[in-house]
Amino acid sequence: AQSVTQLDSQVPVFEEAPVELRCNYSSSVSVYLFWYVQYPNQGLQLLLKYLSGSTLVESINGFEAEFNKSQTSFHLRKPSVHISDTAEYFCAVSAYSGGGADGLTFGKGTHLIIQP
Amino acid sequence: EADIYQTPRYLVIGTGKKITLECSQTMGHDKMYWYQQDPGMELHLIHYSYGVNSTEKGDLSSESTVSRIRTEHFPLTLESARPSHTSQYLCASSEYGPEAFFGQGTRLTVV
Repeated sequence: AQSVTQLDSQVPVFEEAPVELRCNYSSSVSVYLFWYVQYPNQGLQLLLKYLSGSTLVESINGFEAEFNKSQTSFHLRKPSVHISDTAEYFCAVSAYSGGGADGLTFGKGTHLIIQP
Repeated sequence: EADIYQTPRYLVIGTGKKITLECSQTMGHDKMYWYQQDPGMELHLIHYSYGVNSTEKGDLSSESTVSRIRTEHFPLTLESARPSHTSQYLCASSEYGPEAFFGQGTRLTVV
């Protein structure tokens, strides 16, 4: 079984400041890692994913995350946030089961609040 | 852009009523999932399916049931709704890999 810990339930930052949302996971098998974003009254949108290869992955809107196997972490970062980044961010893992995934295990989410 | 649709988006219903939440995807994905999300809390997998006539229960026990008669359709049914079923329900699908595409969700309120 897997578990995901998002250490901060809420992160307030000023506009144009950098931000880091922390995510740690626990698993006895290899996993895939994801960050999803949820805007108010919306479903989840995939922000970025780590499946294999380079441990640093980037999204099209300036976010990046780095997979650190030794620390079992997948922290999300952005060098300069915008007011439109205000949302709930979920870290998720999926166990590698060869033929695909048996669903995602999510963290409790981090509410990113951008202050003008 | 992922094409997965949930209806209704919002539903307020009385205790004891039978309800069906609809989920359809046009991507031909074999795997489909239902997640339950309580306010301010993480999502929990309640049902999943690997294809037609395949349904499995997820990590979180749920009184709801699902069916998968067609690849594109994965409805969730509550035979007798109760206030404890008030939550947001999110449907998702995936192809061969682990990446899941989510619908907009159905926010259910049972009064």
